[in-house]
Amino acid sequence: DIQMTQSPSSLSASVGDRVTITCRASQSISRYLNWYQQKPGKAPKLLMYAAFSLQSGVPSRFSGSGSGTDFTLTISSLQPEDFATYYCQQSYSTPPWTFGQGTKVEIK
Amino acid sequence: EVQLVESGGGLVQPGGSLRLSCAASGFAVSNNYMSWVRQAPGKGLEWVSVIHSDGSTYYADSVTGRFAISRDNSKNTLYLQMSSLRVGDTAVYYCARNGFDSSGHDAFDIWGQGTMVTVSS
Repeated sequence: DIQMTQSPSSLSASVGDRVTITCRASQSISRYLNWYQQKPGKAPKLLMYAAFSLQSGVPSRFSGSGSGTDFTLTISSLQPEDFATYYCQQSYSTPPWTFGQGTKVEIK
Repeated sequence: EVQLVESGGGLVQPGGSLRLSCAASGFAVSNNYMSWVRQAPGKGLEWVSVIHSDGSTYYADSVTGRFAISRDNSKNTLYLQMSSLRVGDTAVYYCARNGFDSSGHDAFDIWGQGTMVTVSS
């Protein structure tokens, strides 16, 4: 199975900050990488698919990059509604679909 | 409106069984890959099972032989039959659609609200 590792596990940031979360796959997954946002008590929400394609309705301050084994999710200017936990997930070699352990973005 | 609504969660003793349901609206379950994903309290996301549009099914190693995914096309509903439940199966269970783009990349693009399953004596 492909293992996904995110860093950091948590971070503290202020409104307006630029935030970057990284995700590394245990083997090359081309661009088969998705990002999700989850708020407490809510279902995950798809943000980005195929590494850098923005899901419909997601604000353009979110962007994704990378291919192969290393990927990043960037929030260009953090907004109050962006405080949440973010997960990466690979869809290259399935089943199983595997997720990173999550990155919690907290208010500084 | 495109949505998924789960039901059927609850408290069950170790070794017991439970069936989860996921009613879809706005699209046909039969034409899509449909998955179950779970999240133990305070933990991350774990894919559990998928049913393809052709009816083939796949499971995570942790549930193989104990869980069964199925669908009722007439009711546009997805199911997860869980048996021989363990304390470690305690989690919120989400159903999700595997949506595909034109290049064949898939992602879980629609999620239900989740249903809590607690396995405890």
